Amino acid sequence: AQKVTQAQTEISVVEKEDVTLDCVYETRDTTYYLFWYKQPPSGELVFLIRRNSFDEQNEISGRYSWNFQKSTSSFNFTITASQVVDSAVYFCALSEAVGSGAGSYQLTFGKGTKLSVIP
Amino acid sequence: NAGVTQTPKFQVLKTGQSMTLQCAQDMNHNSMYWYRQDPGMGLRLIYYSASEGTTDKGEVPNGYNVSRLNKREFSLRLESAAPSQTSVYFCASSEVDSRRQPQHFGDGTRLSIL
Repeated sequence: AQKVTQAQTEISVVEKEDVTLDCVYETRDTTYYLFWYKQPPSGELVFLIRRNSFDEQNEISGRYSWNFQKSTSSFNFTITASQVVDSAVYFCALSEAVGSGAGSYQLTFGKGTKLSVIP
Repeated sequence: NAGVTQTPKFQVLKTGQSMTLQCAQDMNHNSMYWYRQDPGMGLRLIYYSASEGTTDKGEVPNGYNVSRLNKREFSLRLESAAPSQTSVYFCASSEVDSRRQPQHFGDGTRLSIL
């Protein structure tokens, strides 16, 4: 069974600080995809990024960056110069096959990291 | 663009009552999913529908049933609600049931069972 671990339950930072959210995963699949989702206080889930297991390039999108290291099974998320609007719960997720039918997949979620950015 | 729409947004039930949670997507997606989110937990898959006409159990299906009414709609039914089913329920959809596709989520239904 696949597993996603987000060891940091809650993090508090002061506005403008950088913060890294950790994600460690376990899988026996050779091809897999990792995702990050954001859940702001309003409750909806917002897709942030997808990364496949063959692409170890880091990705930057504005103040967000992701560091994928296959050797350590980690997919960490860094927010640079954090802002109050970044306050949310962030989930890391891993796609895995489910059921007996071919090509059926589900997301396995970590338990999430609650980020509070203090003004 | 509405995306994934869930109704109702909030509901309080008494133990033993039945209820159907509705979900509709307007993105022409083939695959749809129901998750529950409990405090301190990630999301756990209840049921999914890889394509119209098919449904399968996820990680925590007990106490639930689903219906894929058509390509757009996927409902979740609690036949006899129990306090353990108090949770936030999310519906999601994706283009195809592929490990590559990100799932797009509705805003959730907050369900309390007394």
